[in-house]
Amino acid sequence: EVQLVESGGGLIQPGGSLRLSCAASGFTVSSKYMSWVRQAPGKGLKWVSSLYSGGSIYYADSVKGRFTISRDNSKNTLYLQMNSLRAEDTAVYYCARVIAMAAYYFDYWGQGTLVTVSS
Amino acid sequence: QTVVTQEPSFSVSPGGTVTLTCGLNSGSVSTTYYPSWYQQTPGQAPRTLIYNTNTRSSGVPDRFSGSILGNKAALTITGAQADDESDYYCMLYMGNGIVVFGGGTKLTVL
Repeated sequence: EVQLVESGGGLIQPGGSLRLSCAASGFTVSSKYMSWVRQAPGKGLKWVSSLYSGGSIYYADSVKGRFTISRDNSKNTLYLQMNSLRAEDTAVYYCARVIAMAAYYFDYWGQGTLVTVSS
Repeated sequence: QTVVTQEPSFSVSPGGTVTLTCGLNSGSVSTTYYPSWYQQTPGQAPRTLIYNTNTRSSGVPDRFSGSILGNKAALTITGAQADDESDYYCMLYMGNGIVVFGGGTKLTVL
């Protein structure tokens, strides 16, 4: 059974750093495309970043240069390193598995982890 | 800047049919954008309903269907039920690893 479990969220001051983790089971993270999607309180879904199985990486303009997506194959875990955090980064962060064969969509989602950026 | 448009809210009667749409500020939505649809209830993670324009995800009831209507992607719910009351998001693949979500439609069943 495929499962994605995020962790690492919390309260952080503006300008601070946080690393989110997404532990996967039921499949191998390194063999799939993976993404982070966030949702600010009361707002819609926003794509943040993707890491492809071949190593290609993509970021939304709003996080480029501040966030870094990566994976640890030995731990079957996806990460999102978030630096220079701003109030507008406050959101629930979901990791999601991407299916990109003659399609492009998210087939599995984690439960999310809340990041609050506030002084 | 790419903007994916959705109706902010919609209302449907129980047993009724409703069609939610997903447009693009820069032109028409086609199958090449691989439209997908997600359902989300408050406090829960999104659930995948439809992908590749019109393919239902595993376990999704057949009252949910996807299509291209005119220049937009569409999600139709036929025979709406009370537990269909949710937020619905469409997503388009723009290429080069980039996806864009619509702003979401809040569906009320009453």
